[in-house]
Amino acid sequence: NAGVTQTPKFRILKIGQSMTLQCAQDMNHNYMYWYRQDPGMGLKLIYYSVGAGITDKGEVPNGYNVSRSTTEDFPLRLELAAPSQTSVYFCASSLPLSGELFFGEGSRLTVL
Amino acid sequence: AQKITQTQPGMFVQEKEAVTLDCTYDTSDQSYGLFWYKQPSSGEMIFLIYQGSYDEQNATEGRYSLNFQKARKSANLVISASQLGDSAMYFCAMRGSSGSARQLTFGSGTQLTVLP
Repeated sequence: NAGVTQTPKFRILKIGQSMTLQCAQDMNHNYMYWYRQDPGMGLKLIYYSVGAGITDKGEVPNGYNVSRSTTEDFPLRLELAAPSQTSVYFCASSLPLSGELFFGEGSRLTVL
Repeated sequence: AQKITQTQPGMFVQEKEAVTLDCTYDTSDQSYGLFWYKQPSSGEMIFLIYQGSYDEQNATEGRYSLNFQKARKSANLVISASQLGDSAMYFCAMRGSSGSARQLTFGSGTQLTVLP
């Protein structure tokens, strides 16, 4: 019962460094999402994908890139990390329309 | 573009009483889904309840029910018989059926505190 797995759970980056947050799901879901949640705030959509090879921008895509080469994996790439990217990142997956969104446990990223 | 509005940043309720958390939405899609999620202080996102736009009955899941008023574009969450463990942040969300509306959009959340 793995569900949605995110790695790493915690990471500290220096300004200007790059990294990739990994996300994998084993439920054969078509839809996958990356959200960020700043302290005391709601979730803002960074990127989403409705299937392998198809990605689209959400509300706050600047500074991030994604790829979806397989149904299972949806990595999020941070290029040139900035303090404004300090946040908790959630990956999620679902079936279309009525599908409940299954969340990973979150990745807490700090940029210093 | 679709939008979710939660106008109550914080709510207090006495243990064992019922509480309603407000949610209004805006979308041009005819077919859409509405969701409620709970986020306790530990940070995980817990799915509570789902309502489809064509569902005639209000959704219920145990102590949770969704008061769906389509004409008013509202999807309020009702928690009956509140428990101390219900203290958490609650998010309303929606997803449309076409194009960019397929993204799941969240409201800003309501922090619920259950008082003993």
